[in-house]
Amino acid sequence: GAVVSQHPSRVICKSGTSVKIECRSLDFQATTMFWYRQFPKQSLMLMATSNEGSKATYEQGVEKDKFLINHASLTLSTLTVTSAHPEDSSFYICSARLDGNYNQPQHFGDGTRLSIL
Amino acid sequence: AQSVTQLDSHVSVSEGTPVLLRCNYSSSYSPSLFWYVQHPNKGLQLLLKYTSAATLVKGINGFEAEFKKSETSFHLTKPSAHMSDAAEYFCVVSDRRGYQKVTFGTGTKLQVIP
Repeated sequence: GAVVSQHPSRVICKSGTSVKIECRSLDFQATTMFWYRQFPKQSLMLMATSNEGSKATYEQGVEKDKFLINHASLTLSTLTVTSAHPEDSSFYICSARLDGNYNQPQHFGDGTRLSIL
Repeated sequence: AQSVTQLDSHVSVSEGTPVLLRCNYSSSYSPSLFWYVQHPNKGLQLLLKYTSAATLVKGINGFEAEFKKSETSFHLTKPSAHMSDAAEYFCVVSDRRGYQKVTFGTGTKLQVIP
């Protein structure tokens, strides 16, 4: 159980393109989803926390207009990287949690490798 | 504030020998602790979790971890390493003060030598 599906797994696109990444909880309803960015050989950096039906909470330094997050249902959250540039190239990972309890684990998608040319 | 320290960035063991990955945490409240494994270009997979029940926690793939409050540690162990265990391992802490957020350790890369 607790499967999170993330698509696409890899994206290569030109600078200026907008890219949408989907994160779905397949066998549970996730009240909270998280979006992370991971640089090579580093740990995960939390970008934003999204709760179904409300606006995402962004971490300091993360541009809201650059990284648009939508959590329209209990099983789907999307991250759109708008007007992507080479510096946005990275590994993006989503996770989902069943509820807001801090003792519940997050379940992770397999990540999206984004490469901007 | 919560924090977690993974004491070794890289651990190398021979196949069939024990694995020890160290993690120390800091939390003002009773924390929940998790270990995750990440294989290259993949997301994180939950190995095990501690949430104030038994202090010795058994996880998947033969891994276990012991919560030691007096030492503020949550080290991950496995009696016998397998080649497929080679990966990056993250220790994660969460507490009610942190509410929705968790704190990740910097990761330990486990190398298994045949």
